[in-house]
Amino acid sequence: DAGVTQSPTHLIKTRGQQVTLRCSPKSGHDTVSWYQQALGQGPQFIFQYYEEEERQRGNFPDRFSGHQFPNYSSELNVNALLLGDSALYLCASTRGNTIYFGEGSWLTVV
Amino acid sequence: GDSVTQMEGPVTLSEEAFLTINCTYTATGYPSLFWYVQYPGEGLQLLLKATKADDKGSNKGFEATYRKETTSFHLEKGSVQVSDSAVYFCALSDRNRGSTLGRLYFGRGTQLTVWP
Repeated sequence: DAGVTQSPTHLIKTRGQQVTLRCSPKSGHDTVSWYQQALGQGPQFIFQYYEEEERQRGNFPDRFSGHQFPNYSSELNVNALLLGDSALYLCASTRGNTIYFGEGSWLTVV
Repeated sequence: GDSVTQMEGPVTLSEEAFLTINCTYTATGYPSLFWYVQYPGEGLQLLLKATKADDKGSNKGFEATYRKETTSFHLEKGSVQVSDSAVYFCALSDRNRGSTLGRLYFGRGTQLTVWP
């Protein structure tokens, strides 16, 4: 049983560009959440998707958007990248009382 | 709002020492509580969880008890190993409509280093 898978694992973007990160949840998990983890900090909640709709959103600007597909996979899009968007982006999938995380996508903005 | 306060690190111990990492929380409802571990360069791994008051979560020798009266979920291990060196995060989750867990609120993390 595959766990939560994310792609790409590492990427470098230039300030002002746009990026798309992808996540496939653990089998049987229908809820996907995204978190941003800056270096030396705890993860911060960006948003959560269920049944292809955004159900909860954290304190992130509209530059951060997402999507969930019918197979429960999800994308995180970030527009107009800033240097401060450099971080580890974690995807988590949920079923019942359990939340599992992927290995993350390391984004560096230069 | 909901939040987690976690003991600041770093924590440095000798192998076989006793470990305690303190975690307290603030929540309006009845949250589920978690400890996650992060090894260098990796994502988060669920270490243990507790879903209601007085529940004890345990895994790999680590334990934590959900104490509603003191709003705490302290992580303990009787004898640490070098391989336990990592960053430990305490977290809580509220609930969405129904029974599915909502967003996670994380503490700042505690770096643990164990020397042989």
